[in-house]
Amino acid sequence: DADVTQTPRNRITKTGKRIMLECSQTKGHDRMYWYRQDPGLGLRLIYYSFDVKDINKGEISDGYSVSRQAQAKFSLSLESAIPNQTALYFCATGQSGLLSEQYFGPGTRLTVT
Amino acid sequence: AQSVAQPEDQVNVAEGNPLTVKCTYSVSGNPYLFWYVQYPNRGLQFLLKYITGDNLVKGSYGFEAEFNKSQTSFHLKKPSALVSDSALYFCALRLEAAGNKLTFGGGTRVLVKP
Repeated sequence: DADVTQTPRNRITKTGKRIMLECSQTKGHDRMYWYRQDPGLGLRLIYYSFDVKDINKGEISDGYSVSRQAQAKFSLSLESAIPNQTALYFCATGQSGLLSEQYFGPGTRLTVT
Repeated sequence: AQSVAQPEDQVNVAEGNPLTVKCTYSVSGNPYLFWYVQYPNRGLQFLLKYITGDNLVKGSYGFEAEFNKSQTSFHLKKPSALVSDSALYFCALRLEAAGNKLTFGGGTRVLVKP
């Protein structure tokens, strides 16, 4: 979905390096999410933010940190990358409400060697 | 704890035949259920969602899903599959008590052969 963009799209990095993945959205949504996708495990929530001042840990937040720089921007950092963080990372946005769907970016494929 | 399961890693179907992708859930409260599709090198796209009341939900691209409370299932269906339906499909569950977060199943890869 062009309304949610992620940079970079692909990244190869070495163990121990710090890396930042960026997400921007033009949908005007307050809520933003970071997921990682691993084969057979579906998507797992890393962090989520309900607004600029409200950031929450998801089910697998260890080894990650986030920053909500503005309503439209939500970045994910790996402070010291390790090989088992090799995965496909997705950013998503959504409105409040139980019936609101989420809108996903195209993903970032990260490889940690 | 809430959970959602997709028992089949892959479903193979001939073009023109009916397609079913299975999803079961476990939850103590009212479930809010979604289906998403992921085409190669793309993010997930919303297909449809269950809203309390009508057990048959119609969504995008000719897909529909049937909610069955007694069997705790929300299977995705399409009467006549197309080759272009080949993709990865995810079922997801949202609980009000879980801060509106989505819990995803492991995904089912659908391969439609001409």
